[in-house]
Amino acid sequence: ELKVEQNPLFLSMQEGKNYTIYCNYSTTSDRLYWYRQDPGKSLESLFVLLSNGAVKQEGRLMASLDTKARLSTLHITAAVHDLSATYFCAVDRLTNAGKSTFGDGTTLTVKP
Amino acid sequence: DAGVIQSPRHEVTEMGQEVTLRCKPISGHNSLFWYRQTMMRGLELLIYFNNNVPIDDSGMPEDRFSAKMPNASFSTLKIQPSEPRDSAVYFCASSFSGTTLRYGYTFGSGTRLTVV
Repeated sequence: ELKVEQNPLFLSMQEGKNYTIYCNYSTTSDRLYWYRQDPGKSLESLFVLLSNGAVKQEGRLMASLDTKARLSTLHITAAVHDLSATYFCAVDRLTNAGKSTFGDGTTLTVKP
Repeated sequence: DAGVIQSPRHEVTEMGQEVTLRCKPISGHNSLFWYRQTMMRGLELLIYFNNNVPIDDSGMPEDRFSAKMPNASFSTLKIQPSEPRDSAVYFCASSFSGTTLRYGYTFGSGTRLTVV
């Protein structure tokens, strides 16, 4: 059974600081996704990572994938308040008819 | 494209009543998912369809829940009878999934259900 673990589950950080969210998954997977959910809102797709060593960046967020370690990281650079949200990672396999397995989410609070 | 469209946005109903949630996926997407989100249990997959066929309904809490996808552009999630513990935000999501191509989910805005 595919399992996805994120840590930390809760993260409070100061504006301007850097931090990393980790996503580990238990078995070989073909795709890894990062989503963002603002409070009271829906989930929005941020990144899709397809292969070992893949790196995607948008603004202050950078996601990377190490398939050998079964690990993805979401790095936050110089955090700003607008990045406060819950971040989910999810993985799937091409044999799984489209179903992704989600982590529990990391709730990020950026304080001034 | 208008994205994944869910209705209603909010629903307040009395215990024992029937509730029907509706979802229109993105045109061309062949997978559709129903999720439930609560503070206590987080994001839970209830059921998903691939090419309109239910693939896995093991997340459906009990027989009070049922879901249909009569065609590629419409799905419903029904709760009958509803109970207060069903109160949650219900999300519908769709995606395109193939043997070599895969995109992430597009989520709808959700239906906030309150059963009193």
